[in-house]
Amino acid sequence: EDQVTQSPEALRLQEGESSSLNCSYTVSGLRGLFWYRQDPGKGPEFLFTLYSAGEEKEKERLKATLTKKESFLHITAPKPEDSATYLCAVRIYWQGGSEKLVFGKGTKLTVNP
Amino acid sequence: DADVTQTPRNRITKTGKRIMLECSQTKGHDRMYWYRQDPGLGLRLIYYSFDVKDINKGEISDGYSVSRQAQAKFSLSLESAIPNQTALYFCATSDFRYTSGQETQYFGPGTRLLVL
Repeated sequence: EDQVTQSPEALRLQEGESSSLNCSYTVSGLRGLFWYRQDPGKGPEFLFTLYSAGEEKEKERLKATLTKKESFLHITAPKPEDSATYLCAVRIYWQGGSEKLVFGKGTKLTVNP
Repeated sequence: DADVTQTPRNRITKTGKRIMLECSQTKGHDRMYWYRQDPGLGLRLIYYSFDVKDINKGEISDGYSVSRQAQAKFSLSLESAIPNQTALYFCATSDFRYTSGQETQYFGPGTRLLVL
């Protein structure tokens, strides 16, 4: 069964304290791994797409990396405004030649000032 | 203005009522999706549409129906609402590129639905 597991479920950091969020997956036929940010009461906001092992993407204090089994979202010197739930999703082959996203449950990040 | 809009943003209804959630997009994308999000669970796919004439069931389509009125509009209906359909509903569009087969999905702000 295709699965996406994110850890930890929740993470509390002090402002400036760098850390990483993990997304591990067991799927057949990965067609892309996506990171989204979701603020309370809002829709997921696209951050990154990674397609192959070894690929890295950066945006401000965030850096996403991908291996054959997992992805990491590194947060360097976080600020309180980085507080949000971070969602990981993998795109896989599905029915009738189509594809779909399988989402993890998310990591809720809180950055204290 | 937001690229993907959903109406209403909040809705309270009673068991057995029929309700419709609407989604509009100005991104010009052909592909549109409906998801639901429940506490402690990942987003799950309800229906998806690759163009106006192509509509497909997702993982959890029972109790739901959809209508693609135009490229820009995709509506989700609950024919007879039940309490376990209480959830946060999201519409999404994607920029599928035929040349590469790659796509990114962009989400609307969501509709919070409570079924009493």
